Amino acid sequence: EAGVVQSPRYKIIEKKQPVAFWCNPISGHNTLYWYLQNLGQGPELLIRYENEEAVDDSQLPKDRFSAERLKGVDSTLKIQPAELGDSAVYLCASSSRGPGQGSEQYFGPGTRLTVT
Amino acid sequence: AQRVTQPEKLLSVFKGAPVELKCNYSYSGSPELFWYVQYSRQRLQLLLRHISRESIKGFTADLNKGETSFHLKKPFAQEEDSAMYYCALGGFNKFYFGSGTKLNVKP
Repeated sequence: EAGVVQSPRYKIIEKKQPVAFWCNPISGHNTLYWYLQNLGQGPELLIRYENEEAVDDSQLPKDRFSAERLKGVDSTLKIQPAELGDSAVYLCASSSRGPGQGSEQYFGPGTRLTVT
Repeated sequence: AQRVTQPEKLLSVFKGAPVELKCNYSYSGSPELFWYVQYSRQRLQLLLRHISRESIKGFTADLNKGETSFHLKKPFAQEEDSAMYYCALGGFNKFYFGSGTKLNVKP
């Protein structure tokens, strides 16, 4: 079992360019999370999916960020256009159950985005 | 509103010394509390959760609802414990991480 897979691991783009991150969760995990982690901070939830439904996207900046999980398995997070302040690590995690149900989250290695 | 507070950015102790990483939370209702750890060049992983009441790698954490705390403790720190530690809270459909404490265990 490879665990949660994310790609790319690193991405450098110029501001105003689009960028996309991909995540494949652990097989059978219905809940998928995207987090943003700034340097020296803890992960901050961007969006949570239960199967293919986005059940919490309250912290997702919808003017430039979008996400999808079309078949309830892998997911893509997109930024268009990217800004300098978007430079951070983007983490994907999955779990068998949602928050409040005692389920452990398994994290991917993250994608380190640098916007120049 | 700050849900999870870890007041120490960095905690340095000598090998064999006791260690306590502080975590305070703010949440109405009955939250689930977790400690996650990230070792150098590894991904974030669960260390322990309060509902299990278990000891992992010698670490324990007790949920104190009166003080709204979930401090992580180990009686004798080891060099391999050096890592980033994040306290996390799971509530009704929400999940929050603290800002993390870097533990440095010196030889």
